[in-house]
Amino acid sequence: DTGVSQDPRHKITKRGQNVTFRCDPISEHNRLYWYRQTLGQGPEFLTYFQNEAQLEKSRLLSDRFSAERPKGSFSTLEIQRTEQGDSAMYLCASSQGEGYSPLHFGNGTRLTVT
Amino acid sequence: QKEVEQNSGPLSVPEGAIASLNCTYSDRGSQSFFWYRQYSGKSPELIMFIYSNGDKEDGRFTAQLNKASQYVSLLIRDSQPSDSATYLCAARNQAGTALIFGKGTTLSVSS
Repeated sequence: DTGVSQDPRHKITKRGQNVTFRCDPISEHNRLYWYRQTLGQGPEFLTYFQNEAQLEKSRLLSDRFSAERPKGSFSTLEIQRTEQGDSAMYLCASSQGEGYSPLHFGNGTRLTVT
Repeated sequence: QKEVEQNSGPLSVPEGAIASLNCTYSDRGSQSFFWYRQYSGKSPELIMFIYSNGDKEDGRFTAQLNKASQYVSLLIRDSQPSDSATYLCAARNQAGTALIFGKGTTLSVSS
């Protein structure tokens, strides 16, 4: 079990630039989630994939955010025209099945927008 | 807006004591509940989950669920300084997809 892998671990970018993060889930997990976490807050749900289909998106996810999961394997999260308010830890998680299956989190990508 | 509420703390207990962490949720359709531990600067790690009313024990940890009261708790027996962390409560939404997290309770165990 190699766990959920995220890349990069840290990203510093200037306001207005685009950034892309990658997540590799646990290989047998068909569900993949993106969350955002700021200091002192719990993780906030952004979006969810079952295999390659994006089935749910939070109202928090503005038009500047887009996520993909081609072929149901790894996923990417892109933020266009970054703003300082986008600075956060972006967490990816995966699970096998639904209902009672727990989410397993990666180490996250910390984004700092200057 | 479905929510999970936790007291942010900090909750301070001496080493060896029982720490009691509480959580309430608003979505009556939630069927499964999860406790995660998060050390500063790290990602959440699963402690345990519960989906039936009553108690579930795993080592020093006991999760309790009362669906009628929409209440979940986590007891940590024989608390250790290494248990000092933020504890996140999460409820799976009615659709059975995403987990909705509380803001977390910070626990400090003093030696």
